[in-house]
Amino acid sequence: NAGVMQNPRHLVRRRGQEARLRCSPMKGHSHVYWYRQLPEEGLKFMVYLQKENIIDESGMPKERFSAEFPKEGPSILRIQQVVRGDSAAYFCASSPQKDRGGPEAFFGQGTRLTVV
Amino acid sequence: DQQVKQNSPSLSVQEGRISILNCDYTNSMFDYFLWYKKYPAEGPTFLISISSIKDKNEDGRFTVFLNKSAKHLSLHIVPSQPGDSAVYFCAASDAGGTSYGKLTFGQGTILTVHP
Repeated sequence: NAGVMQNPRHLVRRRGQEARLRCSPMKGHSHVYWYRQLPEEGLKFMVYLQKENIIDESGMPKERFSAEFPKEGPSILRIQQVVRGDSAAYFCASSPQKDRGGPEAFFGQGTRLTVV
Repeated sequence: DQQVKQNSPSLSVQEGRISILNCDYTNSMFDYFLWYKKYPAEGPTFLISISSIKDKNEDGRFTVFLNKSAKHLSLHIVPSQPGDSAVYFCAASDAGGTSYGKLTFGQGTILTVHP
């Protein structure tokens, strides 16, 4: 009865490298969300995906950031050419489809990205 | 533009007493509200939620109250226990909209319960 699984838990990248964060939703959940928590701040919405579709990417930075949730496999948040300001905790959450309950989302443990 | 605000960065209470955490929102489209608890280096854990058609929801020691006219909600924890010490986040959703599960979070309140 696995919850939301994120890997890696910790990721260190040098400036200019690429970071790939993975998220497997809870079994039976078809909605995936990515949030970012900067130091001393709350969680900020980045993107909402369903299988093979981006539903809402209003919180994604315009450049360098992309997300996907393919038909098979985990959701991926990709950050190209990382900069120090990308250092944060990135959380993935999942929820069931709308007709199976409220919008309660269940979160993974997060990936802590450090850019050096 | 902070649509969900938790104006108290921290709260300290004695074990056995009541903890009251407050949250205000500005967006009238929000129709579903949630509270999450977070320990350091872990993901948020869902605690309790309330739909805008209700004004109260209770689950064990946790009760959430919603005052729609004031755009205010609160989380009551009775009795408080040392294990409740964590950061508490208020979140809101426009559940009737297209981004049904998209949550807008407050900044969090650090609750410390002293033995």
